[in-house]
Amino acid sequence: AQSVTQPDIHITVSEGASLELRCNYSYGATPYLFWYVQSPGQGLQLLLKYFSGDTLVQGIKGFEAEFKRSQSSFNLRKPSVHWSDAAEYFCAVGVAGGANNLFFGTGTRLTVIP
Amino acid sequence: KAGVTQTPRYLIKTRGQQVTLSCSPISGHRSVSWYQQTPGQGLQFLFEYFSETQRNKGNFPGRFSGRQFSNSRSEMNVSTLELGDSALYLCASSQNAGVQETQYFGPGTRLLVL
Repeated sequence: AQSVTQPDIHITVSEGASLELRCNYSYGATPYLFWYVQSPGQGLQLLLKYFSGDTLVQGIKGFEAEFKRSQSSFNLRKPSVHWSDAAEYFCAVGVAGGANNLFFGTGTRLTVIP
Repeated sequence: KAGVTQTPRYLIKTRGQQVTLSCSPISGHRSVSWYQQTPGQGLQFLFEYFSETQRNKGNFPGRFSGRQFSNSRSEMNVSTLELGDSALYLCASSQNAGVQETQYFGPGTRLLVL
């Protein structure tokens, strides 16, 4: 069965510092991988997704993620964090050829200090 | 284009009651998925509808049901509410069915069961 692990519950970074949020997945075949962001009181917004091809994926708001099959990871990165990036970040995996349902990790809450 | 809208945004019910939540997808989107978000269980898939047919269902009891209308609007119903049903219920729409489709989430309906 597919699953997603986000080992960091809460991360605090200074504004302007770099960021890396970790995501590990478990799935037998090549997964469909996603990163979503949720601001307080809001729904989820898609940052980026990986299906195949280039393992470095660019997303919105300056985020990127790298798919590493050997490590079953799909870590999210940003070179310079802005205060507006404070939110909760969710990694998710989808099943190729399956329905729309996504399996989400437990999320990482990002705090940005000025 | 208007985003996904969910009504009501907040709801308070008591145990044993039933509740109906509504989701209007983005215009032209034919697929609607529902998710439950709780602090303890995180984001969990409830069900997915495409062209008025339920395509997939998550691991939830039969008290949770849904439907989709010909205009793609969707409703979910929870009967005999339990305290544990308190959650944020998120609806997501996509143009077509399939995990490769980008899902756009609404702001959610926050349900509190007393």
